Amino acid sequence: DAKTTQPPSMDCAEGRAANLPCNHSTISGNEYVYWYRQIHSQGPQYIIHGLKNNETNEMASLIITEDRKSSTLILPHATLRDTAVYYCIVRALSNFGNEKLTFGTGTRLTIIP
Amino acid sequence: DGGITQSPKYLFRKEGQNVTLSCEQNLNHDAMYWYRQDPGQGLRLIYYSQIVNDFQKGDIAEGYSVSREKKESFPLTVTSAQKNPTAFYLCASSIGMQGRNEQFFGPGTRLTVL
Repeated sequence: DAKTTQPPSMDCAEGRAANLPCNHSTISGNEYVYWYRQIHSQGPQYIIHGLKNNETNEMASLIITEDRKSSTLILPHATLRDTAVYYCIVRALSNFGNEKLTFGTGTRLTIIP
Repeated sequence: DGGITQSPKYLFRKEGQNVTLSCEQNLNHDAMYWYRQDPGQGLRLIYYSQIVNDFQKGDIAEGYSVSREKKESFPLTVTSAQKNPTAFYLCASSIGMQGRNEQFFGPGTRLTVL
């Protein structure tokens, strides 16, 4: 699996957009970028994933650079409930959709009132 | 409500005792997973199962055992052979279809061995 690099921590003001970067310079052509988050003492929650096109859902947007070596998760209007550890994971998909996910230490995002 | 349940939320055991952690899902997912999380660390995969009656070791399987007799259940036993069992244990499931790998997690069980 391609290795990912994330800043250990970030702060963002409530109501502003939170932009979380992730570097994955060794990503290969068949590997997707996944984002999960983990609120303290809870199980991780899936946010979004993408291959090369930008993606958007009700929770966030994912911007992947053209060379796919980095990506940014955008929470458009951060709230206090978005305070969590955010994990960027790179993984290829098999025919079974049951791949193991390798979670690093992620970025601890703190939303400031 | 559809989801994954883990029980209990907190569990205490004496050193040398085996303990079984429960994980149940009613999402009709084929694949299920067990992860371990230590303070300030990411998740590490213990075991996973793609279908009923089949499972594979993850990255840190030593000292653990699992069974998958029913689609909805994937219990994890922490044996006395596990050197450092105190941790936060997370169970997850995924639909197991091509192109779909979102994993849904339970609330976790925090195991403390005294």
